[in-house]
Amino acid sequence: QKEVEQNSGPLSVPEGAIASLNCTYSDRGSQSFFWYRQYSGKSPELIMFIYSNGDKEDGRFTAQLNKASQYVSLLIRDSQPSDSATYLCAVNIKGTALIFGKGTTLSVSS
Amino acid sequence: DAGVIQSPRHEVTEMGQEVTLRCKPISGHNSLFWYRQTMMRGLELLIYFNNNVPIDDSGMPEDRFSAKMPNASFSTLKIQPSEPRDSAVYFCASSRHRQGGGEQYFGPGTRLTVT
Repeated sequence: QKEVEQNSGPLSVPEGAIASLNCTYSDRGSQSFFWYRQYSGKSPELIMFIYSNGDKEDGRFTAQLNKASQYVSLLIRDSQPSDSATYLCAVNIKGTALIFGKGTTLSVSS
Repeated sequence: DAGVIQSPRHEVTEMGQEVTLRCKPISGHNSLFWYRQTMMRGLELLIYFNNNVPIDDSGMPEDRFSAKMPNASFSTLKIQPSEPRDSAVYFCASSRHRQGGGEQYFGPGTRLTVT
């Protein structure tokens, strides 16, 4: 059973802080990793994807991948109330569609 | 560029009725995915197509669900007969990648309520 696990939260951080969202996956054959943001009542929106070990930065967002430990994380620097949403982690194993975690709810208080 | 288009956005129907959800993927994308999202089960993949051919339908809950993709720009998900437990948000997504991998872009979803 291929699984993607996320802490459901809510993760609460004050405005301006760093929010750290984590995701673990079970299949060592996983090749690519995605973070989606979903506002309440809206559809998932792609934020970032990462294929290689290490960090990938895009503005206030940094994705971190550690294949040996089978986890991927998303850091949001200078968190804003507008970042309050559910963040979905998704993993791709070659030849299959993306497998999504259930998401972590982030709440940024002003 | 237009994103993934879904219709209707909301559907309320009575148990036993047929429901048809529609999706137009992003032009040029090779793969199309149908998902169902509920609070309890999260985002579940129902079926995906590559170049209009169904590749994996193992997520389709039962024979009441069927999906078609007659051409590269249109797909339908049909539920017949519908049941209250089918109430959920149904998303369509598309990707330019083959074999189901790669980044996917989601439509706005159809919120289905079966009474």
